[in-house]
Amino acid sequence: SSELTQDPAVSVALGQTVRITCQGDSLRSYYASWYQQKPGQAPVLVIYGKNNRPSGIPDRFSGSSSGNTASLTITGAQAEDEADYYCNSRDSSGNHRYVFGTGTKVTVL
Amino acid sequence: QVQLQESGPGLVKPSQTLSLTCTVSGGSISSGSYYWSWIRQPAGKGLEWIGRIYTSGSTNYNPSLKSRVTISVDTSKNQFSLKLSSVTAADTAVYYCAREDYDYVWGSYYFDYWGQGTLVTVSS
Repeated sequence: SSELTQDPAVSVALGQTVRITCQGDSLRSYYASWYQQKPGQAPVLVIYGKNNRPSGIPDRFSGSSSGNTASLTITGAQAEDEADYYCNSRDSSGNHRYVFGTGTKVTVL
Repeated sequence: QVQLQESGPGLVKPSQTLSLTCTVSGGSISSGSYYWSWIRQPAGKGLEWIGRIYTSGSTNYNPSLKSRVTISVDTSKNQFSLKLSSVTAADTAVYYCAREDYDYVWGSYYFDYWGQGTLVTVSS
């Protein structure tokens, strides 16, 4: 299957830790990348590769992967982290195409 | 700092062809080993990858849209373009252009620069 499945929504108390997961067969072959999207804005890359952050992304964002599951962890969530988060990876079925996860809405309480 | 900007009609009639252009600034579209992609997002829904192009003209398309999609590049104008034919209301979405990079250390693909997006509505 080329689907990437995410929990629709999670909530986290201010300053606490939240983990967002992404499951799919393609993750056994390719690392996921993660994107943060706030309302009315374009997605922003927050994690790629094994656990790489682009310049300007706070170090409270981290990534990990095991088997068919990729995870994005926000350690010490801030109010500004409230957003939709999408995972993405290359399809492993043979076509060179990309698949996005279903998205997770993170609410910071 | 690389910047991408989408442009094109915001309203397209059903059965017609949607045409968008992405202008790249802050660097040459031909420099580096980057692919250039189109991605769309219907209102309130998730992201869908449409396709990509290399400056050589090599393309890959989402199989679900392949029969209707053409992506082209004009290196002299630092632009790449999307054409989607036979549109229906289901093609109404915000369309983004993005730069794709590849991490050779970890074998990871990712989209590091995005345009702001442009809303295209399909309606008569």
